[in-house]
Amino acid sequence: ETGVTQTPRHLVMGMTNKKSLKCEQHLGHNAMYWYKQSAKKPLELMFVYSLEERVENNSVPSRFSPECPNSSHLFLHLHTLQPEDSALYLCASSPVAGSNYEQYFGPGTRLTVT
Amino acid sequence: RKEVEQDPGPFNVPEGATVAFNCTYSNSASQSFFWYRQDCRKEPKLLMSVYSSGNEDGRFTAQLNRASQYISLLIRDSKLSDSATYLCVVFMTTDSWGKLQFGAGTQVVVTP
Repeated sequence: ETGVTQTPRHLVMGMTNKKSLKCEQHLGHNAMYWYKQSAKKPLELMFVYSLEERVENNSVPSRFSPECPNSSHLFLHLHTLQPEDSALYLCASSPVAGSNYEQYFGPGTRLTVT
Repeated sequence: RKEVEQDPGPFNVPEGATVAFNCTYSNSASQSFFWYRQDCRKEPKLLMSVYSSGNEDGRFTAQLNRASQYISLLIRDSKLSDSATYLCVVFMTTDSWGKLQFGAGTQVVVTP
């Protein structure tokens, strides 16, 4: 596989469920990102990892918990979400964190919280 | 004030016509500028970088006006496949750390 992959592509979960989103990049990049995209709103940066170390956390509620076991894999663990958390969650990677290099996005996970 | 503002559209464009739209940014210290394209229900992808002198990539022309803090994108000879949302993206640094700031996007619909 090439590029950035994400699973699952669609997820429906109740407010009391626990689920995880997975992202994998095959580009040899050192930086990985989680973004939230809601309808008609700009992409919101949630977390940034540089070589498995979290370097930015943009005041994201604790019900979202990221994990980066290595530079190719990124997870977003979800628990006790709210309906307003329904959105498209995009993973991205780039050669270097905090730089103006192009970011490569995965296809996203469309999350619906019921 | 939003850091990156765009007209959401939609811009309805007849096939073969020219369409242009702008994006404004609030941080005068912004360093790099880009246009990303996002097709319906797909991920964003880099369309082109925007250079100070303006630049072209085929039918696409991007311009930067630092004094007025806006960038523009012009599409000539529009194709049906140009229908997408165009995201204005600005790279800015704060506290020695940089990040891409995305606009909400301008939707373009090219009609036969």
